[in-house]
Amino acid sequence: NAGVTQTPKFRVLKTGQSMTLLCAQDMNHEYMYWYRQDPGMGLRLIHYSVGEGTTAKGEVPDGYNVSRLKKQNFLLGLESAAPSQTSVYFCASSPAGGTYGYTFGSGTRLTVV
Amino acid sequence: AQSVTQPDIHITVSEGASLELRCNYSYGATPYLFWYVQSPGQGLQLLLKYFSGDTLVQGIKGFEAEFKRSQSSFNLRKPSVHWSDAAEYFCAVGPIQGAQKLVFGQGTRLTINP
Repeated sequence: NAGVTQTPKFRVLKTGQSMTLLCAQDMNHEYMYWYRQDPGMGLRLIHYSVGEGTTAKGEVPDGYNVSRLKKQNFLLGLESAAPSQTSVYFCASSPAGGTYGYTFGSGTRLTVV
Repeated sequence: AQSVTQPDIHITVSEGASLELRCNYSYGATPYLFWYVQSPGQGLQLLLKYFSGDTLVQGIKGFEAEFKRSQSSFNLRKPSVHWSDAAEYFCAVGPIQGAQKLVFGQGTRLTINP
């Protein structure tokens, strides 16, 4: 009964390094989302997926890529990390998009130095 | 465009006092409205949601919210706050066509004075 699990919880990267954030949900939800949270900016949508094998851009997609090869997993990749990508990243899932609300993971705190 | 405004960035109340957090939205149809709470270092937890029907909705932890269509508002209330209510609160509206996503306000940080 884990809900939405994000790994890792914390990470420090050097500028130019790459990494992948993993989001896994065990609720059989169709929709999955990646947000970033920055002070004073609220939550901003990076990418989302409306089902297995689909992805789409959100408000702030530049510098990120995603994949949804399996229904339960949604991966967020940073190919060449920049200090501007220092943020807290949240994954969320939903059975039917906005009509049911989201279940959120506990977040990944990423620092790029 | 759909949007959510939380006018208060930071609110401080005394423990035991009543609380009202404001949320105004812009949405072309009947909205689905949500309030989420984020405790320090944690993810967001759903407090309550409004879909239709009774405009006063009850949520977890003693919170309630009232939908007022004429004012495009969905304010969150609690009659008596506890120190554990200190957190950040987010209002959200949806679904947004196509992405079926929610749009979030910028959040209101609540501080509780002892």
